[in-house]
Amino acid sequence: DIQMTQSPSSLSASVGDRVTITCQASQDITNYLNWYQQKPGKAPKLLIYDASNLETGVPSRFSGSGSGTDFTFTISSLQPEDIATYYCQHYDNLPYTFGQGTKLEIK
Amino acid sequence: QVQLQESGPGLVKPSQTLSLTCNVSGGSIRSGTYFWSWIRRPAGGGLEWIGRIYTSGSTNYNPSLKSRVTISVDTSKNQFSLTLSSVTAADTAVYYCAREDSTGYYDYFDYWGQGTLVTVSS
Repeated sequence: DIQMTQSPSSLSASVGDRVTITCQASQDITNYLNWYQQKPGKAPKLLIYDASNLETGVPSRFSGSGSGTDFTFTISSLQPEDIATYYCQHYDNLPYTFGQGTKLEIK
Repeated sequence: QVQLQESGPGLVKPSQTLSLTCNVSGGSIRSGTYFWSWIRRPAGGGLEWIGRIYTSGSTNYNPSLKSRVTISVDTSKNQFSLTLSSVTAADTAVYYCAREDSTGYYDYFDYWGQGTLVTVSS
């Protein structure tokens, strides 16, 4: 199985801050990486697919980059409604695996 | 707008079988090139892909659970189901059903159910 190492596991930032989360795959997955947002009590929501493509309707403050084994997810200006846990997920082969998640909190 | 809704018992005894159903509305489960998946999130843990089914009945399972998992589809009812046998406390989790869109070059889970908590306890 491909292991997805996500960091940090938790993050506290202020409104307006730039926030960055990283995800490292245990082997080359080219661009086969998605990012999801999960708010408490809600289902995960797709934000970014294929490493850098913004899902329709998702605010442009969210972005993704990277290829191969190293990927980055960025919120350019943190908003209060961005409080959630964020997960990366690869789809290079089966079984799909997710990162352990990054819990984002407001300072 | 496609919607998915999980249903099933919230409490299962150890060694018994967990059974959940996902009802799909807003579109036919037979349309498009979609896989229908189950994913879970244990308390304090991350997301774990359990397996998926295509409308032809073809399945793929996570090797870590393969010996205990069965996913089936009932196209006449527009729903698919999960059974997990010989459960233990480690199977306590929120279980989600989700649609996997693999239509084009990309592949992602675009619609999810709200999730249902299943607790394994005597």
